[in-house]
Amino acid sequence: DVKVTQSSRYLVKRTGEKVFLECVQDMDHENMFWYRQDPGLGLRLIYFSYDVKMKEKGDIPEGYSVSREKKERFSLILESASTNQTSMYLCASSSQGAPTGELFFGEGSRLTVL
Amino acid sequence: GQQLNQSPQSMFIQEGEDVSMNCTSSSIFNTWLWYKQDPGEGPVLLIALYKAGELTSNGRLTAQFGITRKDSFLNISASIPSDVGIYFCAGQLTGANSKLTFGKGITLSVRP
Repeated sequence: DVKVTQSSRYLVKRTGEKVFLECVQDMDHENMFWYRQDPGLGLRLIYFSYDVKMKEKGDIPEGYSVSREKKERFSLILESASTNQTSMYLCASSSQGAPTGELFFGEGSRLTVL
Repeated sequence: GQQLNQSPQSMFIQEGEDVSMNCTSSSIFNTWLWYKQDPGEGPVLLIALYKAGELTSNGRLTAQFGITRKDSFLNISASIPSDVGIYFCAGQLTGANSKLTFGKGITLSVRP
């Protein structure tokens, strides 16, 4: 069963802490994405990557960075967490050989920043 | 930037009823996709549409790619309690590497 696995389902952090959200996919997909989901705002793209060591900014990259050292792993980093980064974070992957941009999502990581 | 419009934000229906959702855009897309997110899970692809005018079914779900390429609709027939969730539309311009643009989603509630 193919999967996108996010390391933590629930996290509680304090303002100013550095936060790492990890995502691993076992489908050998080239593309990986980080989205944030907030009520009434839908899914907003933070960063994405089309290849190892490559990254591109999405629509809301401010306050975030990413790392992709291996094809299967894409990490989202909050250098100094703030309360407005309390949200659900969704990782996704897709294949460059697919007919569409079908995304496979992880179960999400719900982050609370106090 | 591109935006997809889904409204209303929430829908409440009775079990057994049909429900239709639509998604509109000011821009043309070459692919339309519909995702469903179950409570506590990530979104899962329901239907993908590749051609203007295309009508595709997946069980009780039917979706259509609008002729103008600026809209799409999803119909659920004979709703059941497990249809509860958030339904997102998404548009893509060209190619598997083109980013998806998502609508804000519609939360569907089904009363038994």
